[in-house]
Amino acid sequence: GAVVSQHPSWVICKSGTSVKIECRSLDFQATTMFWYRQFPKQSLMLMATSNEGSKATYEQGVEKDKFLINHASLTLSTLTVTSAHPEDSSFYICSARNALVDQETQYFGPGTRLLVL
Amino acid sequence: QQQVKQSPQSLIVQKGGISIINCAYENTAFDYFPWYQQFPGKGPALLIAIRPDVSEKKEGRFTISFNKSAKQFSLHIMDSQPGDSATYFCAAKAGANNLFFGTGTRLTVIP
Repeated sequence: GAVVSQHPSWVICKSGTSVKIECRSLDFQATTMFWYRQFPKQSLMLMATSNEGSKATYEQGVEKDKFLINHASLTLSTLTVTSAHPEDSSFYICSARNALVDQETQYFGPGTRLLVL
Repeated sequence: QQQVKQSPQSLIVQKGGISIINCAYENTAFDYFPWYQQFPGKGPALLIAIRPDVSEKKEGRFTISFNKSAKQFSLHIMDSQPGDSATYFCAAKAGANNLFFGTGTRLTVIP
């Protein structure tokens, strides 16, 4: 149980276009979803936290107008990278938890590799 | 500011040996300390976690040792296998707040 999927697993896009990444909790309801960014050989950097039905809370330094997060249902959150540029190329990972059941455990998705040309 | 400091950055261990990764923290409000294993191109997977009311937790070949007074915790991998080669992240959390990750340790187990 507790599986989180991401789609797509990798995406290549042209500079200036927008890219949407989906994060789904397959067998549990995710009251909270997290979006992370990871550069090669580096740690995970939290970008934002979203609670179902609420606006996302962004970490300092993360542009909310560039990284649009939607968490419209208990099983789906989306991250849209708007007007992507080469410096946005990275590995994006989501995680989910059901705070009503377990406030501690986060289940991570397999990640989405974004390459902006 | 790195909330959780992790060392070493990389580690090479012979098959059958013990792999030890250390982490330290400052925030005494942290009350949950998980370890994650990440293979290249994949998301992190929860390996084992501990709360500060115990000093050790063992699951199979993986053991967390926790020293509350020193604000340190470590992961021990017994009988290390080539399949254990991955990057390991420690993390810490206070209550319902977010996870703070360490910088990661790249483990290589050589046959």
